[in-house]
Amino acid sequence: DADVTQTPRNRITKTGKRIMLECSQTKGHDRMYWYRQDPGLGLRLIYYSFDVKDINKGEISDGYSVSRQAQAKFSLSLESAIPNQTALYFCATSASPGGINYGYTFGSGTRLTVV
Amino acid sequence: KNEVEQSPQNLTAQEGEFITINCSYSVGISALHWLQQHPGGGIVSLFMLSSGKKKHGRLIATINIQEKHSSLHITASHPRDSAVYICAVRGSQGNLIFGKGTKLSVKP
Repeated sequence: DADVTQTPRNRITKTGKRIMLECSQTKGHDRMYWYRQDPGLGLRLIYYSFDVKDINKGEISDGYSVSRQAQAKFSLSLESAIPNQTALYFCATSASPGGINYGYTFGSGTRLTVV
Repeated sequence: KNEVEQSPQNLTAQEGEFITINCSYSVGISALHWLQQHPGGGIVSLFMLSSGKKKHGRLIATINIQEKHSSLHITASHPRDSAVYICAVRGSQGNLIFGKGTKLSVKP
């Protein structure tokens, strides 16, 4: 099984619908992140969480919300999807600074299309 | 100006060639990451470095902190190396700032 699992892998939804993207990890990492990737742009940070009680907005949080249900689970919601939210979404995890394995692990991505 | 700049944006090479991808950044960092993204979309971490040089197989990553510059080298390139290579820097808060990526195509 993958260390960081994203579901669904692909999703087509209609404008105005609420949709949730889920991420779970077996790395035991404290920190979890949601990024989106658009063609020609680098990955951009939507939200991040340093532990279950710590949620922070990233550079493009408008139109999104998150929930950290447990150390291993971090969900991203689009309350009312719009077409310009069509993108490839990645969940990632990392250990806290100073950890021996302070690297990043990425999920396989969720390709979301809003029509 | 982007905080992380990669060059070139696109690179086509013949199998066996030595490849260099460059990354320059303008912010203070605690570490720099090189990532690989295959056509299927998944992202794999290749290197994390904060000084000097690291080597893994045919891949070599170097960083010059004073010049705020890093390079990723691929020796004896192979078609399976075809992917997008992404440079990302980690700031003091631990978040990554990404370059736009370099799309590498290695022809047989």
